[in-house]
Amino acid sequence: GAGVSQSPSNKVTEKGKDVELRCDPISGHTALYWYRQSLGQGLEFLIYFQGNSAPDKSGLPSDRFSAERTGGSVSTLTIQRTQQEDSAVYLCASSLGPPGETQYFGPGTRLLVL
Amino acid sequence: QKEVEQNSGPLSVPEGAIASLNCTYSDRVSQSFFWYRQYSGKSPELIMSIYSNGDKEDGRFTAQLNKASQYVSLLIRDSQPSDSATYLCAVNSGGGADGLTFGKGTHLIIQP
Repeated sequence: GAGVSQSPSNKVTEKGKDVELRCDPISGHTALYWYRQSLGQGLEFLIYFQGNSAPDKSGLPSDRFSAERTGGSVSTLTIQRTQQEDSAVYLCASSLGPPGETQYFGPGTRLLVL
Repeated sequence: QKEVEQNSGPLSVPEGAIASLNCTYSDRVSQSFFWYRQYSGKSPELIMSIYSNGDKEDGRFTAQLNKASQYVSLLIRDSQPSDSATYLCAVNSGGGADGLTFGKGTHLIIQP
């Protein structure tokens, strides 16, 4: 079946612009996660959705970052007033159930802020 | 703060030999443990998951978990050049709203 999909695959933007990243999880997966991977760094957990709700948003790096999920499916990660340090690969993952279950990753969105 | 530690490498192993990758974690209540493989420029793909102490084998891969020592390892038998990648250890404490905590990965090079 289809895996996790993300769009766009690449995004180049100017500092100060807003960007919106999209994730479409595996069908039937109730849990959805956003991670960030900066060059040479490990994966950094950002936020987790169970259904449409995010129990804990403290992993988001700043108040410029927000995320939502509607219909228990597609999620969007929005970065307002982008900064150069936001440049990274943003990865989405989904799992069938709670966080202890296996997470399957999408191909990522490579964001470059000039 | 939850931490997952891995030797960054590179770890160089001859083709056909056994590659041994190690990982330690700080959160004693961690319940779920995963090994992901990541090729350069690609996203992580799951290799193994392990939840109980002991060994778990899947083909050429064996994951080992020792919760008392807070230690997870991955053995790759009959290493192939296609196994050359970065291997990420990931841990989840369970029951909360956290995602996975990842180590920074070990870069494995299989020499033909």
